[in-house]
Amino acid sequence: QQQVKQSPQSLIVQKGGISIINCAYENTAFDYFPWYQQFPGKGPALLIAIRPDVSEKKEGRFTISFNKSAKQFSLHIMDSQPGDSATYFCAANPSTSGSRLTFGEGTQLTVNP
Amino acid sequence: KAGVTQTPRYLIKTRGQQVTLSCSPISGHRSVSWYQQTPGQGLQFLFEYFSETQRNKGNFPGRFSGRQFSNSRSEMNVSTLELGDSALYLCASSQAGINGYTFGSGTRLTVV
Repeated sequence: QQQVKQSPQSLIVQKGGISIINCAYENTAFDYFPWYQQFPGKGPALLIAIRPDVSEKKEGRFTISFNKSAKQFSLHIMDSQPGDSATYFCAANPSTSGSRLTFGEGTQLTVNP
Repeated sequence: KAGVTQTPRYLIKTRGQQVTLSCSPISGHRSVSWYQQTPGQGLQFLFEYFSETQRNKGNFPGRFSGRQFSNSRSEMNVSTLELGDSALYLCASSQAGINGYTFGSGTRLTVV
């Protein structure tokens, strides 16, 4: 019940295209859903996060869509750029219990020029 | 504003030894969490400290322990190292441990 399932494992898109990564969770105690971007040799960097009281949040080219009833959320990267090539992780946290992020398996995104 | 600082960046240890990793959180952040990242298991939560108290603990054996000091700096210790402990160990800090976690670049531990 603590798992977060992420798909796809890898994704290749052309420059200017839309990248979509999906996650699903089971634990209804999760109430904070961040997305992280990780480059080789670096720690994960927070991209954008959402709470279940909203269905969508947009920051620049990055949008999170959240479906509470389906227990699913997704990251959309609009106008994908080669510099977006990285590993993306979704995560979930029951924030009333402090910090104990449960991460998805990760998606290796490659944006071809 | 300085980020989360982890030292050392790289470590090579022999099986059976113990190791201590250090994490300095962002100034003002009182919550420090530790994660293990491996290719096979991904990112897994180890434990969280808040105001010098362990608030959460993941499913790792007792060989993994940590502590937090009054200045919020944290250390993580692994005793009796096993080959499977080879991983990138990441520290994350946040103001109140509710959201907005910032990760350090990690310590790459290799056990031989």
